[in-house]
Amino acid sequence: SQQGEEDPQALSIQEGENATMNCSYKTSINNLQWYRQNSGRGLVHLILIRSNEREKHSGRLRVTLDTSKKSSSLLITASRAADTASYFCATVVDNTGGFKTIFGAGTRLFVKA
Amino acid sequence: AAGVIQSPRHLIKEKRETATLKCYPIPRHDTVYWYQQGPGQDPQFLISFYEKMQSDKGSIPDRFSAQQFSDYHSELNMSSLELGDSALYFCASSQAVGIASGNTIYFGEGSWLTVV
Repeated sequence: SQQGEEDPQALSIQEGENATMNCSYKTSINNLQWYRQNSGRGLVHLILIRSNEREKHSGRLRVTLDTSKKSSSLLITASRAADTASYFCATVVDNTGGFKTIFGAGTRLFVKA
Repeated sequence: AAGVIQSPRHLIKEKRETATLKCYPIPRHDTVYWYQQGPGQDPQFLISFYEKMQSDKGSIPDRFSAQQFSDYHSELNMSSLELGDSALYFCASSQAVGIASGNTIYFGEGSWLTVV
Protein backbone atom coordinates (compact mmCIF):
# COMPACT_ATOMS: atom_id res chain seq x y z
CA SER A 1 0.00 0.00 0.00
CA GLN A 2 1.11 3.55 -0.51
CA GLN A 3 1.59 6.62 1.62
CA GLY A 4 -1.63 8.36 2.47
CA GLU A 5 -4.09 5.50 2.50
CA GLU A 6 -7.58 6.74 3.23
CA ASP A 7 -10.71 5.13 4.50
CA PRO A 8 -13.48 4.81 3.84
CA GLN A 9 -13.06 4.91 0.09
CA ALA A 10 -16.66 6.08 -0.24
CA LEU A 11 -19.09 7.56 2.24
CA SER A 12 -22.77 8.37 1.79
CA ILE A 13 -24.58 10.36 4.49
CA GLN A 14 -27.66 12.52 4.97
CA GLU A 15 -27.45 16.27 5.06
CA GLY A 16 -26.88 17.46 8.61
CA GLU A 17 -24.91 14.40 9.66
CA ASN A 18 -21.20 14.44 10.41
CA ALA A 19 -18.69 12.86 8.06
CA THR A 20 -15.41 11.41 9.25
CA MET A 21 -12.62 10.43 6.91
CA ASN A 22 -9.36 8.85 7.95
CA CYS A 23 -5.89 8.86 6.47
CA SER A 24 -2.89 6.75 7.36
CA TYR A 25 0.68 7.20 6.24
CA LYS A 26 3.93 5.32 6.53
CA THR A 27 6.86 7.68 6.82
CA SER A 28 7.68 10.65 9.03
CA ILE A 29 6.05 13.82 7.83
CA ASN A 30 6.58 17.56 8.07
CA ASN A 31 2.91 18.30 7.79
CA LEU A 32 -0.32 16.82 6.53
CA GLN A 33 -2.84 18.64 4.39
CA TRP A 34 -6.40 17.90 3.37
CA TYR A 35 -7.72 18.80 -0.05
CA ARG A 36 -11.12 18.68 -1.65
CA GLN A 37 -11.83 17.92 -5.28
CA ASN A 38 -15.11 18.32 -7.08
CA SER A 39 -15.46 15.93 -9.98
CA GLY A 40 -13.09 16.81 -12.77
CA ARG A 41 -11.91 19.99 -11.07
CA GLY A 42 -8.72 21.08 -9.39
CA LEU A 43 -7.84 20.29 -5.81
CA VAL A 44 -8.68 22.93 -3.27
CA HIS A 45 -6.68 23.22 -0.09
CA LEU A 46 -8.80 22.87 3.04
CA ILE A 47 -6.58 22.71 6.07
CA LEU A 48 -3.00 21.99 7.11
CA ILE A 49 -1.81 20.43 10.34
CA ARG A 50 1.84 20.41 11.30
CA SER A 51 3.58 17.38 12.72
CA ASN A 52 3.77 18.99 16.17
CA GLU A 53 0.04 19.76 16.25
CA ARG A 54 -2.67 17.36 17.35
CA GLU A 55 -5.87 19.10 16.37
CA LYS A 56 -6.96 21.97 14.21
CA HIS A 57 -10.28 23.58 13.39
CA SER A 58 -11.49 25.61 10.46
CA GLY A 59 -15.19 26.38 10.29
CA ARG A 60 -17.04 23.07 10.09
CA LEU A 61 -13.78 21.18 9.61
CA ARG A 62 -11.84 19.49 12.36
CA VAL A 63 -8.58 17.70 11.69
CA THR A 64 -6.67 15.52 14.11
CA LEU A 65 -3.20 14.12 13.76
CA ASP A 66 -1.72 11.19 15.67
CA THR A 67 1.93 10.88 14.71
CA SER A 68 2.40 7.80 16.92
CA LYS A 69 -0.22 5.97 14.87
CA LYS A 70 0.70 7.80 11.67
CA SER A 71 -2.90 8.73 11.06
CA SER A 72 -5.12 11.73 10.61
CA SER A 73 -8.85 12.28 10.49
CA LEU A 74 -11.01 14.93 8.87
CA LEU A 75 -14.39 15.60 10.41
CA ILE A 76 -16.99 17.65 8.58
CA THR A 77 -19.81 18.63 10.89
CA ALA A 78 -23.38 19.41 9.89
CA SER A 79 -22.70 18.29 6.33
CA ARG A 80 -24.38 19.93 3.36
CA ALA A 81 -25.16 18.64 -0.11
CA ALA A 82 -22.48 21.05 -1.38
CA ASP A 83 -19.88 19.09 0.59
CA THR A 84 -20.27 16.25 -1.92
CA ALA A 85 -16.76 15.80 -3.33
CA SER A 86 -13.64 13.71 -3.03
CA TYR A 87 -11.36 14.44 -0.11
CA PHE A 88 -7.66 13.73 -0.22
CA CYS A 89 -5.02 13.81 2.44
CA ALA A 90 -1.52 14.76 1.38
CA THR A 91 1.62 14.29 3.37
CA VAL A 92 4.66 16.48 2.97
CA VAL A 93 7.79 14.47 3.58
CA ASP A 94 11.47 15.20 3.49
CA ASN A 95 13.04 14.26 0.20
CA THR A 96 16.66 14.57 -0.77
CA GLY A 97 17.17 18.20 -1.61
CA GLY A 98 13.61 19.20 -0.94
CA PHE A 99 10.16 18.09 0.06
CA LYS A 100 7.64 15.82 -1.59
CA THR A 101 3.87 15.93 -1.39
CA ILE A 102 2.18 12.56 -1.59
CA PHE A 103 -1.56 12.18 -2.08
CA GLY A 104 -3.68 9.35 -0.81
CA ALA A 105 -6.41 7.57 -2.73
CA GLY A 106 -9.16 9.85 -1.50
CA THR A 107 -12.58 9.39 0.05
CA ARG A 108 -15.61 10.00 -2.11
CA LEU A 109 -18.21 11.75 0.05
CA PHE A 110 -21.82 11.94 -1.07
CA VAL A 111 -24.18 14.04 1.01
CA LYS A 112 -27.84 13.41 0.29
CA ALA A 113 -30.21 16.35 0.58
CA ALA B 1 -6.45 36.75 -6.70
CA ALA B 2 -4.44 35.17 -9.47
CA GLY B 3 -4.48 31.38 -9.59
CA VAL B 4 -2.54 28.70 -11.39
CA ILE B 5 -3.41 28.83 -15.06
CA GLN B 6 -3.26 25.76 -17.25
CA SER B 7 -3.74 25.43 -20.97
CA PRO B 8 -5.27 23.93 -22.88
CA ARG B 9 -8.14 22.81 -20.68
CA HIS B 10 -9.03 20.01 -23.05
CA LEU B 11 -6.93 18.20 -25.60
CA ILE B 12 -7.64 15.25 -27.85
CA LYS B 13 -4.74 13.45 -29.49
CA GLU B 14 -4.26 10.25 -31.37
CA LYS B 15 -1.94 7.45 -30.31
CA ARG B 16 1.72 8.11 -31.02
CA GLU B 17 1.15 11.84 -31.30
CA THR B 18 2.77 14.49 -29.14
CA ALA B 19 1.08 16.85 -26.70
CA THR B 20 2.30 19.88 -24.78
CA LEU B 21 0.62 21.24 -21.66
CA LYS B 22 1.39 24.66 -20.25
CA CYS B 23 1.26 25.94 -16.72
CA TYR B 24 1.52 29.48 -15.42
CA PRO B 25 2.10 29.54 -11.66
CA ILE B 26 0.83 32.10 -9.21
CA PRO B 27 3.03 35.22 -9.33
CA ARG B 28 6.09 34.98 -7.06
CA HIS B 29 5.74 31.23 -6.72
CA ASP B 30 9.04 29.59 -7.57
CA THR B 31 8.06 25.92 -7.49
CA VAL B 32 5.92 24.10 -10.01
CA TYR B 33 4.57 20.56 -9.71
CA TRP B 34 2.94 18.31 -12.27
CA TYR B 35 0.46 15.60 -11.31
CA GLN B 36 -1.43 13.03 -13.34
CA GLN B 37 -4.85 11.81 -12.27
CA GLY B 38 -6.40 8.91 -14.12
CA PRO B 39 -10.16 8.26 -13.99
CA GLY B 40 -11.15 7.38 -10.44
CA GLN B 41 -7.58 7.52 -9.23
CA ASP B 42 -5.63 9.72 -6.86
CA PRO B 43 -3.25 12.35 -8.18
CA GLN B 44 0.17 10.88 -8.97
CA PHE B 45 3.21 13.10 -8.72
CA LEU B 46 5.16 13.37 -11.96
CA ILE B 47 7.84 16.01 -11.57
CA SER B 48 8.61 19.33 -9.91
CA PHE B 49 10.83 22.31 -10.58
CA TYR B 50 12.32 24.89 -8.27
CA GLU B 51 13.89 28.01 -9.72
CA LYS B 52 13.91 26.49 -13.20
CA MET B 53 15.77 23.36 -12.08
CA GLN B 54 14.22 19.94 -11.68
CA SER B 55 13.82 19.41 -7.96
CA ASP B 56 12.06 16.08 -7.74
CA LYS B 57 10.94 13.30 -10.01
CA GLY B 58 8.08 10.91 -9.51
CA SER B 59 6.38 8.42 -11.76
CA ILE B 60 6.96 10.34 -14.97
CA PRO B 61 7.38 8.09 -18.02
CA ASP B 62 10.50 8.47 -20.11
CA ARG B 63 8.25 9.58 -22.98
CA PHE B 64 7.40 12.69 -20.98
CA SER B 65 9.63 15.64 -20.33
CA ALA B 66 9.11 18.96 -18.65
CA GLN B 67 10.89 22.21 -18.02
CA GLN B 68 10.44 25.48 -16.21
CA PHE B 69 11.27 28.65 -18.07
CA SER B 70 12.80 31.94 -16.99
CA ASP B 71 9.35 33.45 -16.42
CA TYR B 72 8.57 30.42 -14.17
CA HIS B 73 5.95 28.97 -16.44
CA SER B 74 6.32 25.27 -17.11
CA GLU B 75 5.55 22.94 -19.98
CA LEU B 76 4.94 19.22 -19.90
CA ASN B 77 5.77 17.51 -23.18
CA MET B 78 4.33 14.09 -23.84
CA SER B 79 5.43 12.07 -26.84
CA SER B 80 4.41 8.73 -28.35
CA LEU B 81 1.09 9.06 -26.60
CA GLU B 82 -0.64 5.91 -25.44
CA LEU B 83 -4.27 5.30 -24.58
CA GLY B 84 -3.26 4.98 -20.94
CA ASP B 85 -1.99 8.55 -20.93
CA SER B 86 -5.59 9.77 -21.01
CA ALA B 87 -5.96 11.61 -17.73
CA LEU B 88 -6.38 14.93 -16.01
CA TYR B 89 -3.03 16.65 -15.68
CA PHE B 90 -2.69 19.11 -12.86
CA CYS B 91 -0.11 21.78 -12.40
CA ALA B 92 0.44 23.27 -8.98
CA SER B 93 2.66 25.96 -7.59
CA SER B 94 4.02 27.07 -4.26
CA GLN B 95 6.75 29.10 -2.67
CA ALA B 96 9.56 26.73 -1.81
CA VAL B 97 10.85 28.68 1.14
CA GLY B 98 9.07 27.36 4.16
CA ILE B 99 7.47 24.41 2.39
CA ALA B 100 8.31 22.22 5.34
CA SER B 101 6.46 24.58 7.61
CA GLY B 102 3.44 24.32 5.42
CA ASN B 103 3.32 26.62 2.43
CA THR B 104 0.26 25.56 0.58
CA ILE B 105 0.38 24.06 -2.86
CA TYR B 106 -2.16 25.70 -5.13
CA PHE B 107 -3.59 23.67 -7.98
CA GLY B 108 -4.78 24.68 -11.39
CA GLU B 109 -8.04 23.39 -12.80
CA GLY B 110 -6.20 20.78 -14.83
CA SER B 111 -5.85 19.85 -18.47
CA TRP B 112 -7.92 16.97 -19.76
CA LEU B 113 -5.96 14.84 -22.19
CA THR B 114 -7.83 12.22 -24.17
CA VAL B 115 -5.81 9.87 -26.34
CA VAL B 116 -7.82 8.07 -29.00
